[in-house]
Amino acid sequence: DGGITQSPKYLFRKEGQNVTLSCEQNLNHDAMYWYRQDPGQGLRLIYYSQIVNDFQKGDIAEGYSVSREKKESFPLTVTSAQKNPTAFYLCASSINLAGGPGQETQYFGPGTRLLVL
Amino acid sequence: QKEVEQNSGPLSVPEGAIASLNCTYSDRVSQSFFWYRQYSGKSPELIMSIYSNGDKEDGRFTAQLNKASQYVSLLIRDSQPSDSATYLCAVKANFGNEKLTFGTGTRLTIIP
Repeated sequence: DGGITQSPKYLFRKEGQNVTLSCEQNLNHDAMYWYRQDPGQGLRLIYYSQIVNDFQKGDIAEGYSVSREKKESFPLTVTSAQKNPTAFYLCASSINLAGGPGQETQYFGPGTRLLVL
Repeated sequence: QKEVEQNSGPLSVPEGAIASLNCTYSDRVSQSFFWYRQYSGKSPELIMSIYSNGDKEDGRFTAQLNKASQYVSLLIRDSQPSDSATYLCAVKANFGNEKLTFGTGTRLTIIP
């Protein structure tokens, strides 16, 4: 089955600990994204990557880091510098279905819920 | 000022009626518009995309775009209880900016 997988489904972080969230896609999509969603709020972009070995900061990159060594994988590390990490983390990848410039459509993985102990 | 605004709801609609969800955006260069449905505790699921002024229909869903008024809406005909969810509006510019900007969502409840 083609799709986007995220693991784990739930993750618990202790104070001062770095944790890594996994995101894998077998859709052959070039671009991948990480979002954070807090209760009752919209999605906020953390990082995105349009090609392998390249990524850009989103709107709330502080306290997070990413890598893009393979097209299929875009892991997100929540560092100890992120003081309020409790949230629902969503990974997405995109493809241009319409064919027009900039008409990439994003599809989401199932998400990882991060909680602080 | 929020870039993408939605009424947070909740919006309650009787089963079988038309649900109308609205979204306004502030960036005039926005060219691509998307509606996502998100069930509680789940990830967003794409419902509709629209790029040109006018209406786009897909089954029971119709997206409407008015770029002059910077307004995009989603109509759900013959509303079903399974349509109860939060609906997220997202917009994107097409000029080297690959970022989607999301609204905070409208929570829709279909009343049997």
